[in-house]
Amino acid sequence: NAGVMQNPRHLVRRRGQEARLRCSPMKGHSHVYWYRQLPEEGLKFMVYLQKENIIDESGMPKERFSAEFPKEGPSILRIQQVVRGDSAAYFCASSPGLGEEQYFGPGTRLTVT
Amino acid sequence: DQQVKQNSPSLSVQEGRISILNCDYTNSMFDYFLWYKKYPAEGPTFLISISSIKDKNEDGRFTVFLNKSAKHLSLHIVPSQPGDSAVYFCAASAVTGNQFYFGTGTSLTVIP
Repeated sequence: NAGVMQNPRHLVRRRGQEARLRCSPMKGHSHVYWYRQLPEEGLKFMVYLQKENIIDESGMPKERFSAEFPKEGPSILRIQQVVRGDSAAYFCASSPGLGEEQYFGPGTRLTVT
Repeated sequence: DQQVKQNSPSLSVQEGRISILNCDYTNSMFDYFLWYKKYPAEGPTFLISISSIKDKNEDGRFTVFLNKSAKHLSLHIVPSQPGDSAVYFCAASAVTGNQFYFGTGTSLTVIP
């Protein structure tokens, strides 16, 4: 049973470009969460999605960030017009149900130059 | 607003001794707590959890203690092994909530 998959593992973007981060949850998991870890900080919740629905996006910056979890395919975290402050590790997690243990992917390390 | 705090950024312990990692929280609505372990360049791995109806949960060398009145939990690793060297995050959630709140992590080094 494959774990949570994230790609790419490393992503370099110039300021102003778009970044797309992908997450495939564990088989049988319909709940997906995105977290961001800035240097020297803990994991910060960004958004929680179920298939085709955003349940909680209280941790998402109001502008430039969006997330989706379509009926088919992976969850996507999209960052438009990236800035240097977006450089961080972005982790995706999935769980079989709300409030249950979350299983994390290996993360995508975004570097904005 | 850091609702889950790990005040010790790092901890060094001799192999075979006990490692005690601490975590404090501020939100009295939290009722489910987890510990995750993270190696460099990898995602966090679930280690052990405890719900607020218990004050202790044990799994092999790992034991988590919860003191609800003090809003404090701790992870004990006995005996510590070099392979336990990693960053440990505690996390908390409320049954009515959608998210886990993570601490900033404690980097544990077990010295052979």
